[in-house]
Amino acid sequence: ELKVEQNPLFLSMQEGKNYTIYCNYSTTSDRLYWYRQDPGKSLESLFVLLSNGAVKQEGRLMASLDTKARLSTLHITAAVHDLSATYFCAVNTGTASKLTFGTGTRLQVTL
Amino acid sequence: GAVVSQHPSRVICKSGTSVKIECRSLDFQATTMFWYRQFPKQSLMLMATSNEGSKATYEQGVEKDKFLINHASLTLSTLTVTSAHPEDSSFYICSASRLASTDTQYFGPGTRLTVL
Repeated sequence: ELKVEQNPLFLSMQEGKNYTIYCNYSTTSDRLYWYRQDPGKSLESLFVLLSNGAVKQEGRLMASLDTKARLSTLHITAAVHDLSATYFCAVNTGTASKLTFGTGTRLQVTL
Repeated sequence: GAVVSQHPSRVICKSGTSVKIECRSLDFQATTMFWYRQFPKQSLMLMATSNEGSKATYEQGVEKDKFLINHASLTLSTLTVTSAHPEDSSFYICSASRLASTDTQYFGPGTRLTVL
């Protein structure tokens, strides 16, 4: 059974600081996604990572994938309050596009 | 492009009643649709996968007779929660993909179900 774990589960950080969220998964997968969820809302797609060594950046967020280590990271640079949300990684098992979601990381950026 | 809608966005019902939630792909044909459930402060859990014109595939532990899924067309899937109880209260999110195995999933805005 595929397991996807994120850490930390909760992160409180000051504006302007950098931090990294980690996503570990237990079996081979051909793609990994990062999503953002605001309270009471659905998911907003951030990144899809398709191959080992893939790196994608959008604004203050950068995601990377190491398929050998079964690890993805979401790096936050110079955090701003607007980044406060819950971030999920999700792994595709290759079977009918099924996604297994990580535990989620609730990010709180304080002024 | 790739917009998915859900209706209703919120529903409150009495225990024992049935509730139908619709998921529509507005600008593409969805071969596969997925239904997720999310309890407060928890992750998304896949309930079932539905392919147009065939029976849904349910995840382990999900009662297929309680959560009826119909995917009658390439743009519409419905989830009916039958004889709802308070423990069914949750945030239900659907997603849709164009192809069976490789396409990105596009998520709907979710439906908040409260069973009194």
